[in-house]
Amino acid sequence: DTGVSQNPRHKITKRGQNVTFRCDPISEHNRLYWYRQTLGQGPEFLTYFQNEAQLEKSRLLSDRFSAERPKGSFSTLEIQRTEQGDSAMYLCASSLEVHEQYFGPGTRLTVT
Amino acid sequence: GDSVTQMEGPVTLSEEAFLTINCTYTATGYPSLFWYVQYPGEGLQLLLKATKADDKGSNKGFEATYRKETTSFHLEKGSVQVSDSAVYFCALLKRPGGGADGLTFGKGTHLIIQP
Repeated sequence: DTGVSQNPRHKITKRGQNVTFRCDPISEHNRLYWYRQTLGQGPEFLTYFQNEAQLEKSRLLSDRFSAERPKGSFSTLEIQRTEQGDSAMYLCASSLEVHEQYFGPGTRLTVT
Repeated sequence: GDSVTQMEGPVTLSEEAFLTINCTYTATGYPSLFWYVQYPGEGLQLLLKATKADDKGSNKGFEATYRKETTSFHLEKGSVQVSDSAVYFCALLKRPGGGADGLTFGKGTHLIIQP
């Protein structure tokens, strides 16, 4: 069990640029989640996949955000035209059973 | 909407002290409840869970009981160690089919244990 991995671990970008993050879940897990965490706050749910189907999106996920999980394995989260308010830690989690979500180390995004 | 409220930190205790971190929730229906822990420099880890009223979750000496009547899930440990220093998050999850499958987290409580 290698755990959930996320790449890159850190990303610094200029306002207006596009960024893409990758999440590799635990291999047999069919559920995959994205969360965002800002300093001093708990993680906030963004979106959820079951296999390749995106089943739920939070209202926090603006039109500039898009997530995919093309083959039901890894997932990508893209942010277009980044804004300073997008600076946060982006967390990925996966699960086989709905009550046990395993989190990755996160990708820290800084928008300058 | 759903929400989780937990006591603000930092909470500073001496080693071997008794720990309580309060957590209350607001949700429709009967959510499942969780405590996650984040050690310095590490990712979130599930500490314990309870999926129905009166259930007690326990792990590593920590316990929490799902109290539906008070909508609470307080975290307790009888004797804390320096290694318990971390940020603790209370979270809820609605029942599958009840809508969201994403966790709703509290803001976190930073626990500092002094030797």
